[in-house]
Amino acid sequence: EAQVTQNPRYLITVTGKKLTVTCSQNMNHEYMSWYRQDPGLGLRQIYYSMNVEVTDKGDVPEGYKVSRKEKRNFPLILESPSPNQTSLYFCASSNWAGGGQPQHFGDGTRLSIL
Amino acid sequence: QQPVQSPQAVILREGEDAVINCSSSKALYSVHWYRQKHGEAPVFLMILLKGGEQKGHDKISASFNEKKQQSSLYLTASQLSYSGTYFCGTEVSYNQGGKLIFGQGTELSVKP
Repeated sequence: EAQVTQNPRYLITVTGKKLTVTCSQNMNHEYMSWYRQDPGLGLRQIYYSMNVEVTDKGDVPEGYKVSRKEKRNFPLILESPSPNQTSLYFCASSNWAGGGQPQHFGDGTRLSIL
Repeated sequence: QQPVQSPQAVILREGEDAVINCSSSKALYSVHWYRQKHGEAPVFLMILLKGGEQKGHDKISASFNEKKQQSSLYLTASQLSYSGTYFCGTEVSYNQGGKLIFGQGTELSVKP
């Protein structure tokens, strides 16, 4: 089954404790992206990647890191999480690094930073 | 810059119609529409490319006015299953590798 898989689905942690949210897709998609969703603000892009070893900042990249060493994986790293990073996070992928392609979303990761 | 969606929320009775608008201050290459049920991931509905095309799927259709940088989503004879939050996502360039900027969402509630 074609899917985007995120782990963990839920995480409660404390300020400053490094964490990684994994994202993996099995559709051989070139493009992958991370979004955060907060009430009233919609989906805001954190980072995106057009292919292996090619990443770029989205609209809200501060406090986050990403890497794209393999085509299927695009982990999101919070080196020193803070409470303002409490949010619902989605990973997405699409077929091609050009425009006009639908994005496929993972089920989301709900992070709570205390 | 984030596109602006209107209205922010709408309540319908089953069978009624609704229109959701999405406006951008930038020239657009494409507009995407997604629907998100509470607690779930956004699900792709349709994409419109510049050229003023119109698309439809069942009783949901959309248009894209390239000159005005606006897109509208039309929900006809709404069903209970249409409830959710609708997001438009905009791309400003073919060459930006699929970078999407989403609107703030429109919450649609369909009542029996």
